[in-house]
Amino acid sequence: QQPVQSPQAVILREGEDAVINCSSSKALYSVHWYRQKHGEAPVFLMILLKGGEQKGHEKISASFNEKKQQSSLYLTASQLSYSGTYFCGTVSMDSSYKLIFGSGTRLLVRP
Amino acid sequence: SQTIHQWPATLVQPVGSPLSLECTVEGTSNPNLYWYRQAAGRGLQLLFYSVGIGQISSEVPQNLSASRPQDRQFILSSKKLLLSDSGFYLCAWVRVTSTDTQYFGPGTRLTVL
Repeated sequence: QQPVQSPQAVILREGEDAVINCSSSKALYSVHWYRQKHGEAPVFLMILLKGGEQKGHEKISASFNEKKQQSSLYLTASQLSYSGTYFCGTVSMDSSYKLIFGSGTRLLVRP
Repeated sequence: SQTIHQWPATLVQPVGSPLSLECTVEGTSNPNLYWYRQAAGRGLQLLFYSVGIGQISSEVPQNLSASRPQDRQFILSSKKLLLSDSGFYLCAWVRVTSTDTQYFGPGTRLTVL
């Protein structure tokens, strides 16, 4: 079952903060966050594992509430390059070979 | 380092024609492989995945099929394309789905006319 993302779209001024939420009705192994620019493949941002381990490659933070099966992606001091569509993907405990993505959150950062 | 290739990059096909998209991964062995489709302005729909040679799991019943003839090769096929098959097709690989990063290929943009 597809995770639910909110909001569907966000418009920011450069330097402002944003939070993108992702929730699942299933017990999760992990939550994965990606950013996709128009016409390009999604690029990995961060993975949050059951048990609290967090892996990421950019200066973007995230949290994973295992009790609620919810994750949030925090974009602070946004830059123009943050614009794109953000997807969360979830791996559930009853289907550990599948990464299922939410419908995405469109983020536009304006000067 | 690992790399993932997809071809062709773009494709325009008439309705009813066959389809073959190829994905290959280099620099790793026994990866889990995935095909996703993204319709214009939409999310990523999982179509097929494979955890080993010759093993295919289908997520959405449709006129597409997948095969994994070699460890690092994944092929998406159709005998007769529909207009609704248009979209951006992405191949992805991962070592361990639940804990590792899943990497996407550059994608194939398919237009069915």
